[in-house]
Amino acid sequence: GAVVSQHPSWVICKSGTSVKIECRSLDFQATTMFWYRQFPKQSLMLMATSNEGSKATYEQGVEKDKFLINHASLTLSTLTVTSAHPEDSSFYICSARGRDRNQETQYFGPGTRLLVL
Amino acid sequence: GEDVEQSLFLSVREGDSSVINCTYTDSSSTYLYWYKQEPGAGLQLLTYIFSNMDMKQDQRLTVLLNKKDKHLSLRIADTQTGDSAIYFCAASMGYKLSFGAGTTVTVRA
Repeated sequence: GAVVSQHPSWVICKSGTSVKIECRSLDFQATTMFWYRQFPKQSLMLMATSNEGSKATYEQGVEKDKFLINHASLTLSTLTVTSAHPEDSSFYICSARGRDRNQETQYFGPGTRLLVL
Repeated sequence: GEDVEQSLFLSVREGDSSVINCTYTDSSSTYLYWYKQEPGAGLQLLTYIFSNMDMKQDQRLTVLLNKKDKHLSLRIADTQTGDSAIYFCAASMGYKLSFGAGTTVTVRA
């Protein structure tokens, strides 16, 4: 089946630093990737939709200057949390649109846990 | 927007069947999905159903869709300890997914 990887799987950083998270589709090309944020014991909140070669579309309430998204190729999207603060600590999950038995669906990465001190 | 609701907890004895229920509000959702999340991990796609179907079976998993009532269920037959996880129902609106809050399934011996 389709595999999506994320790197790093966890990161601890000091307040004020920037953190980059990579999302890769390993065995398929993904024209569209999604970034989600999940708080403990809560559902996934869509942050933005990223299309290869174009600007990301952000959901309402998500600061685009805070969460920079780059979808440079059909297999890689990156999320950069700029000037991270403790309230940015969360579990970030990416997904990529792929094809499963002629049906397009979303495949999720394993997530990146960010802790900002 | 789409609202997706699920019951939050389910406790089931090992070997019994589990049934997780989900309701959604937008009748134009074309696909409905079930994902599984184990602690500290991402989401694993379990199964999905197209809105013009009313049932789909895949090994131990059975999905039932009542489009009139906008009700979706996932039945896990012969529930095992490895099935303990959070199960998310999701409805598609175009390429976007709306998720329920997740149902925590606990399997007891």
